[in-house]
Amino acid sequence: KAGVTQTPRYLIKTRGQQVTLSCSPISGHRSVSWYQQTPGQGLQFLFEYFSETQRNKGNFPGRFSGRQFSNSRSEMNVSTLELGDSALYLCASSSVAGGLETQYFGPGTRLLVL
Amino acid sequence: AQTVTQSQPEMSVQEAETVTLSCTYDTSESDYYLFWYKQPPSRQMILVIRQEAYKQQNATENRFSVNFQKAAKSFSLKISDSQLGDAAMYFCAYRLTGANSKLTFGKGITLSVRP
Repeated sequence: KAGVTQTPRYLIKTRGQQVTLSCSPISGHRSVSWYQQTPGQGLQFLFEYFSETQRNKGNFPGRFSGRQFSNSRSEMNVSTLELGDSALYLCASSSVAGGLETQYFGPGTRLLVL
Repeated sequence: AQTVTQSQPEMSVQEAETVTLSCTYDTSESDYYLFWYKQPPSRQMILVIRQEAYKQQNATENRFSVNFQKAAKSFSLKISDSQLGDAAMYFCAYRLTGANSKLTFGKGITLSVRP
């Protein structure tokens, strides 16, 4: 099976712009979670989608949003970018929501905001 | 709110030796899961080992084992016979049971392996 894929891998934007990141889960996985990783804050949970529904949300401002499509692919959007949004954005997929199932991570999208 | 603390930012181990990475967590819940994830430089994060809180027996995966002390809220990872490929950032993570739970990560620890 192919692993979790994320596009693009690298992105440079300027303040005030918006960005959309994409995540394709492992085939058959219906849960997709998003995380932000920065040197200062570490890994922080953004949100989780399962069967096109947002199941859980972290403590991020409304500028961060996401959605999941019927094929389980997920997109994350950040509007009005700020310098502090520079980070590695990771998505992870799993076969079910919650529980002990393993989350498989993608390689991440590295976003730089200038 | 649940928190996960990894107090050692960096550790180093000699190849073939054993190293223990520490993790403590804070929760008022009794049913949860604990994980150790490995993130090699510029590579994808992978699950190393996981532990269900209701199990008293410590989890083991080949050279990796944990010391789970539920009362002390401690979850350390022991790596035996360290290899150069073990060099990575290691994250301890916590997750409640239930469909609407989320992974809470510690800040991570950078492990280097000396040849």
